[in-house]
Amino acid sequence: DAGITQSPRHKVTETGTPVTLRCHQTENHRYMYWYRQDPGHGLRLIHYSYGVKDTDKGEVSDGYSVSRSKTEDFLLTLESATSSQTSVYFCASRSQVWAQYNEQFFGPGTRLTVL
Amino acid sequence: EDQVTQSPEALRLQEGESSSLNCSYTVSGLRGLFWYRQDPGKGPEFLFTLYSAGEEKEKERLKATLTKKESFLHITAPKPEDSATYLCAVQVSETGNQFYFGTGTSLTVIP
Repeated sequence: DAGITQSPRHKVTETGTPVTLRCHQTENHRYMYWYRQDPGHGLRLIHYSYGVKDTDKGEVSDGYSVSRSKTEDFLLTLESATSSQTSVYFCASRSQVWAQYNEQFFGPGTRLTVL
Repeated sequence: EDQVTQSPEALRLQEGESSSLNCSYTVSGLRGLFWYRQDPGKGPEFLFTLYSAGEEKEKERLKATLTKKESFLHITAPKPEDSATYLCAVQVSETGNQFYFGTGTSLTVIP
């Protein structure tokens, strides 16, 4: 299995505060993704990265920013957290090698509560 | 608009009672369809990738099939350890780097 870790695993914060979630992978995968998972909505893509310093928006990117300064790390920042951003956040990575090209490996998730 | 719909939302089976989960999609330019398993409190775990209509993949008691409009995940003689949420996702050709997920089917297998 790909080694993907997320930190923190749980976080409670207050409305208006900035929050940064970290994703770290040890597989040298080129592609990385941030999703949020909410009841009734399934997994929705927030942002993704197709290389160091190369990122793009997903379908629910408003209020979020990302950065990728190293292959192994992908950071998700909530610039000013709102209650609607209470969710479970998953990071995933995907290899550029053809044999595993389309398989995403997911991290364990971060449960974020915004009060 | 690209859409992925899974049915049923929840399914309860007796151990050994075979059934199928459905994933229907309306996307422009399907590059691949994926099945994942998700256990409570964990991230999704990859099961299968299907690329073209008529393709089938098998793994233990699971078999995934693909048509031009939908995919089925067939579960043969399920066991309690097959209980999980099964997610379907599609990759579209316009972007190639984005994946759209359905809301999942929660499967419970009763001993």
